[in-house]
Amino acid sequence: DAGVTQSPTHLIKTRGQQVTLRCSPKSGHDTVSWYQQALGQGPQFIFQYYEEEERQRGNFPDRFSGHQFPNYSSELNVNALLLGDSALYLCASSPYSRGPYEQYFGPGTRLTVT
Amino acid sequence: AQTVTQSQPEMSVQEAETVTLSCTYDTSENNYYLFWYKQPPSRQMILVIRQEAYKQQNATENRFSVNFQKAAKSFSLKISDSQLGDTAMYFCAFVLVGNNRLAFGKGNQVVVIP
Repeated sequence: DAGVTQSPTHLIKTRGQQVTLRCSPKSGHDTVSWYQQALGQGPQFIFQYYEEEERQRGNFPDRFSGHQFPNYSSELNVNALLLGDSALYLCASSPYSRGPYEQYFGPGTRLTVT
Repeated sequence: AQTVTQSQPEMSVQEAETVTLSCTYDTSENNYYLFWYKQPPSRQMILVIRQEAYKQQNATENRFSVNFQKAAKSFSLKISDSQLGDTAMYFCAFVLVGNNRLAFGKGNQVVVIP
C-alpha cells in the first residue's frame, strides 16, 4: 500500500515565477492538507481540500492556491514567488471521517526561490 | 488561535537511556487532540503517538509514552530505551476536534549517541 507521495522532490525557482507541487494521497484517503515548513520551524497549515473544494485555509495570501482532482490527488500552486516562499512543502492525507486523527504525511517538496 | 510551545531545542541522550521532551499548549477549548510527530533527516513526518483530550489515561506506544496534564496544558513525550533510529526532530501538535488544521510547535532535536 503506497503512502502519501509528492512530486517533485526538489525544485529551484526564481523570484516572480510560478510553481505547482503535486500530491497523491494514501489509498483510501479523500482529504488532502498542505503545510509549509520553513527551515528550523514547525509546519504551518496552508489549506485543506475535500470533495474538490477548499474547506479550510490558514493565514496565507491568495498567491497560494490549490486544486483537488476526482481521484483525490491535489496540487498546490504558488504565484509570484518570493524569497520567503523557500521552504519544505508537506502534503498530508486523511479519511474525512477521521479528520486529523489519522493524518499521514508525504516526504515533502523542497522549494528554493532564488 | 491555539499555540504550541516546545523548549529545549536540542537534546542528546545515550543509547538505551530515557529522554523526555516537554510541550505546552494554549487553548480555551475542551475537545482536542494532541500528537507527537517525528521528522528524521529523510524529512518524512511520522506520527509517534496521539492523545484524545477527553481520555485521562496517558497514551503509550511501545517505547513512547506521554504525560498528559490537561489542567496544566502540558503534553510531554518520554522515549525509553533510546535507539539510534530515534535521532530526529520531534514536533508537538494540537488540533481541535472538528477542525483540521494542525498547530505545531517549533520542534525538539533529539540526538541519540552510541
